[in-house]
Amino acid sequence: AQTVTQSQPEMSVQEAETVTLSCTYDTSENNYYLFWYKQPPSRQMILVIRQEAYKQQNATENRFSVNFQKAAKSFSLKISDSQLGDTAMYFCALRRGTYKYIFGTGTRLKVLA
Amino acid sequence: EAQVTQNPRYLITVTGKKLTVTCSQNMNHEYMSWYRQDPGLGLRQIYYSMNVEVTDKGDVPEGYKVSRKEKRNFPLILESPSPNQTSLYFCASSSLGAGSSYNEQFFGPGTRLTVL
Repeated sequence: AQTVTQSQPEMSVQEAETVTLSCTYDTSENNYYLFWYKQPPSRQMILVIRQEAYKQQNATENRFSVNFQKAAKSFSLKISDSQLGDTAMYFCALRRGTYKYIFGTGTRLKVLA
Repeated sequence: EAQVTQNPRYLITVTGKKLTVTCSQNMNHEYMSWYRQDPGLGLRQIYYSMNVEVTDKGDVPEGYKVSRKEKRNFPLILESPSPNQTSLYFCASSSLGAGSSYNEQFFGPGTRLTVL
């Protein structure tokens, strides 16, 4: 079975600090993509960062970076220099070759002033 | 402006009364998908479509129907809604073209459905 697990329902971080959100997944496929989405209180789903499974280099987008450990099936998100606007629900997602998506249950992140 | 639109944004209905939630995108995307979001469960895929007249089941298709007669539209139909279909629904679309290897999904604003 294909699964995505986010084991941290809630986290908090001080403004300007660094926080890491964890995500583990399970798939039998070799060709897949991984994503982190942000959902602020507005409910809009916003793509934060993405990773192709065949690429060993970890993806980076400004203050957001991932630690992709393919053998361990781990895909954690690191947010550096946290800002109040980073307060949101964060979802990890797996896209399989068949274009089916599986999302984790989410981590609610609160950035404290 | 490139966007995915959903209507209605909020809907309260009663058990058994057929309803349709519309989804439309103006980006000429081949791929469209419906999700439901429930507390503690994240987003779960209901149906998706790779192109006109091509649809397939996601992980939670029971109680839902879809159709893809036009590329831009992908309506979600609840023939006989039940209270367990009370949820937040998202439509999304993405390109499948060459050079779009990530096939980023663009999400609509969501539809809050309550079935009494």
